[in-house]
Amino acid sequence: EVQLVESGGGLVQPGESLRLSCAASGFTFSTSWMTWVRQAPGKGLEWVASIKDEGDKGNYVDSVKGRFTISRDNAKESLCLQMNSLRVEDTAVYYCVRGTGGLAWGQGALVTVSS
Amino acid sequence: DIVMTQTPLSSPVTLGQPASISCRSSQSLVHSDGNTYLSWLQQRPGQPPRPLIYKISNRFSGVPDRFSGGGAGTDFTLKISRVEPEDVGVYYCMQATQFPVTFGQGTKLEIK
Repeated sequence: EVQLVESGGGLVQPGESLRLSCAASGFTFSTSWMTWVRQAPGKGLEWVASIKDEGDKGNYVDSVKGRFTISRDNAKESLCLQMNSLRVEDTAVYYCVRGTGGLAWGQGALVTVSS
Repeated sequence: DIVMTQTPLSSPVTLGQPASISCRSSQSLVHSDGNTYLSWLQQRPGQPPRPLIYKISNRFSGVPDRFSGGGAGTDFTLKISRVEPEDVGVYYCMQATQFPVTFGQGTKLEIK
């Protein structure tokens, strides 16, 4: 059974940093693209970033370029999202997703950016 | 960026009756590899999204066969042959043919 478990969410002030992690199991992590998708309270889904199986390249939505970094450790089957210079508008539930087409989703981690 | 437009945004349906959701993309979703990376997701209240359909018409394991997807190019449809109570929620189409990956606005399925 595919499992994706996010951790690291919390409440931070604008301008601060946070690091999300996702522990993956139940599939061949090292050959899968991985993605972060977020959902602001009461809103729709927004793609944030994806990373190739080898982990040498990330793709980002324009609004987070230069502030967020997606990375992975295939040996540990884990995915990370380093979020710097956080803004109020980054407040959302962040989902760890297998693939780029939404093959499997974690339960999500809530990130709240507020002063 | 590819814009995904869903209609309707809200769909009140009678139990046991069919439902249909349309998704239109601003440009063709046919990838250079010949595949069309159009998926459908279901999000029940308080739950993470659940994948239903991938590459237009392929159901994920465990998805009831009352759900079906169709279409081509820029026009796609999700159909539910007979709506059940557990189908209540928001449905999203998404494209992964091109970065940035984009989603439709969501269609809220409600029971009349």
